Amino acid sequence: AQSVTQLGSHVSVSEGALVLLRCNYSSSVPPYLFWYVQYPNQGLQLLLKYTTGATLVKGINGFEAEFKKSETSFHLTKPSAHMSDAAEYFCAVRTITNSGGYNKLIFGAGTRLAVHP
Amino acid sequence: DSGVTQTPKHLITATGQRVTLRCSPRSGDLSVYWYQQSLDQGLQFLIQYYNGEERAKGNILERFSAQQFPDLHSELNLSSLELGDSALYFCASSRGVGTGANVLTFGAGSRLTVL
Repeated sequence: AQSVTQLGSHVSVSEGALVLLRCNYSSSVPPYLFWYVQYPNQGLQLLLKYTTGATLVKGINGFEAEFKKSETSFHLTKPSAHMSDAAEYFCAVRTITNSGGYNKLIFGAGTRLAVHP
Repeated sequence: DSGVTQTPKHLITATGQRVTLRCSPRSGDLSVYWYQQSLDQGLQFLIQYYNGEERAKGNILERFSAQQFPDLHSELNLSSLELGDSALYFCASSRGVGTGANVLTFGAGSRLTVL
C-alpha cells in the first residue's frame, strides 16, 4: 500500500530564507508524487508533480522538488521565501487499486508554512 | 477559478439531518473524487467515480453515499449527520484514468458545520 509522511506539521522561516518541506513516501510500485498548496479558505492547487524522467521537478511560484528513490523522499524547496508563500502544503502519492481507480491520491498530513518578516 | 464548482460553499445543519453536496467537474474531465478534510483526520479520500461508475472507495461511512450523473456532475449525500461530520468536503476532477490523467484539480470545497 502507498503512504506519505510529511515531517513537521509546522515550519516557520524568515522572508528570504530557504524553504524546505520534507516528504517521504512508501510505494510498492513506481510512484507518481505531487505537491499541492492550500491557501486559507481555498481549495488545493497543484504546485508540481513527478511522474517519470527528470528527478528534479520545477513547479509554480519558484518551488521545486527532487525525487530520490534511494531515500524514498520528495522534499519541496524554494530558495527564498516570500510572505505570500504562507499556506499549508500537502505531499501526495498516486495509488493503484484493483478496480483501476489509480488516480486516487493519498495525502500526507500537511505542513503549515509560516513566513515572518 | 479551478474550473471545478462546488455548492454550497457553506452549510450549517443539525445532527440527524441529511445534506447533499454538489460538484461540477472541469470541462472535459470524466473522473470525480470526493475528499473530506478535518482537523483530526487530515485529507481523507472518500470515493471516486469515472464516467458514471464507481471506481474506488476509501474511508466513506455507510451513512454517506455518492453518485455521478450522465452530465458528469456528482453529488455526495450525507445522512444521519453527527457532530464529527463537520468538515470541509472537497471535490476534485481529472481527465480520466490514463497515465496522462494524473492531475487532480480541486474545487474550493463545501464547509459543513453540524450543530
